[in-house]
Formats: sequence, C-alpha cells, structure tokens
Amino acid sequence: AQTVTQSQPEMSVQEAETVTLSCTYDTSESDYYLFWYKQPPSRQMILVIRQEAYKQQNATENRFSVNFQKAAKSFSLKISDSQLGDAAMYFCAYSKFQGAQKLVFGQGTRLTINP
Amino acid sequence: GAGVSQSPSNKVTEKGKDVELRCDPISGHTALYWYRQSLGQGLEFLIYFQGNSAPDKSGLPSDRFSAERTGGSVSTLTIQRTQQEDSAVYLCASSFRHSNSPLHFGNGTRLTVT
Repeated sequence: AQTVTQSQPEMSVQEAETVTLSCTYDTSESDYYLFWYKQPPSRQMILVIRQEAYKQQNATENRFSVNFQKAAKSFSLKISDSQLGDAAMYFCAYSKFQGAQKLVFGQGTRLTINP
Repeated sequence: GAGVSQSPSNKVTEKGKDVELRCDPISGHTALYWYRQSLGQGLEFLIYFQGNSAPDKSGLPSDRFSAERTGGSVSTLTIQRTQQEDSAVYLCASSFRHSNSPLHFGNGTRLTVT
C-alpha cells in the first residue's frame, strides 16, 4: 500500500522569506501523481501544485515550486516570498496515475507566517 | 461558476442517531468523491462515484456508512447509528472524468457525535 509521510507537524517563517515543507512517500508504482494541497481555516482543500512522476522537470506555480526526487521518493514544497495568506495546513498527497483519484494524504504541516 | 457545495456546514448529533450529509458537485463534473478528515486517522478516502458506474466503496469504514448519487449529480452520505469515533470533517470533491483532472473540494461538514 502507498504511504505518505510529512515529518514536520509545524513550521514557521518570516513574511517574505522562503520555507520548504518536506514529504516522503512509498509506492511500487512507476507512474503516479503527487500533490500539495493547502487547507485554510475554511476547511476547503485547495490544490497548490501537482507533479506527474514521469516528468523529470519540477513543477512550479508562481511562488510555489517542488523538488521532486523520484529515486529518493521525496517531494518537498518550496514557498518563496511567503505571504500572510500562505498560513494554513499543507498536505502532501499521492494518487495512482490511472483511474480514480483516491488520494493518500500525509498528516499535514501547519505553516505559520510571522509578520 | 459555483464551487462544490456541502450541507450542513456543521452537524451535532447524539450517539445512535442517523445523519445525512449532502454534496452538490460542480455542474458537469462526473466524478464525485467523499473523504473523511479525523484527528486520529487523518484524511482518508471513503467512496467514489463516476457517472453511472457502480461506486467504489472500498474506503467505507463499516456497513453503517453508505452513499448514493442521484441523477449523476447530488450525493448524500448517510451514517447510521452514529458513534463518537464518527466525529470528523467529511469532505466532498468533484472533477471531470479524466484521472488527470484536478479535484475541487467543498468546505466540508463537521460532524460531532455526542
């Protein structure tokens, strides 16, 4: 079975600085998707970024980028120029490449932005 | 357009009672998912609907849990004889059919069983 591990329950960063959230996963599949979701107090899970495992290039979305190390099964999220609105729970997630998106989530990292 | 809508936002019920949670997906989305977010178990998949196909119920924790989707749109998650361990946030998500289509989540229903 696939597992996703986030080893940092909490992180904090100064506004405008850069922070990196860690995620490792375990799977025997060769093709799959990895995701970072943000969950603010509204409870809605918001997709931040997605990485297809067959792509070597790391995904980027504006201030958000990932460091995808397939051999090490590592998938970290870097947030540059942190903003107060980035404060939230961040979840790393995995899904198989084909079929339903039955996401397997990590335990989450609570990110605090210090003004 | 409107996002995924879930109701009620919060629900408090007594142990042993039945509850129904509703999800209204984004128009045109044929895939619908239910997830549960609890303190003890984290986020876990419950059930998946795709069009008129038989649902994938592989994540339902017990036979007290059931779900249906009427007319390929609105879905209802029913929990019978609620237990305190059912207390959690129940999240619904929808997407277009294809597996690479991103999931859009609702704001969830927080269920508290007293």
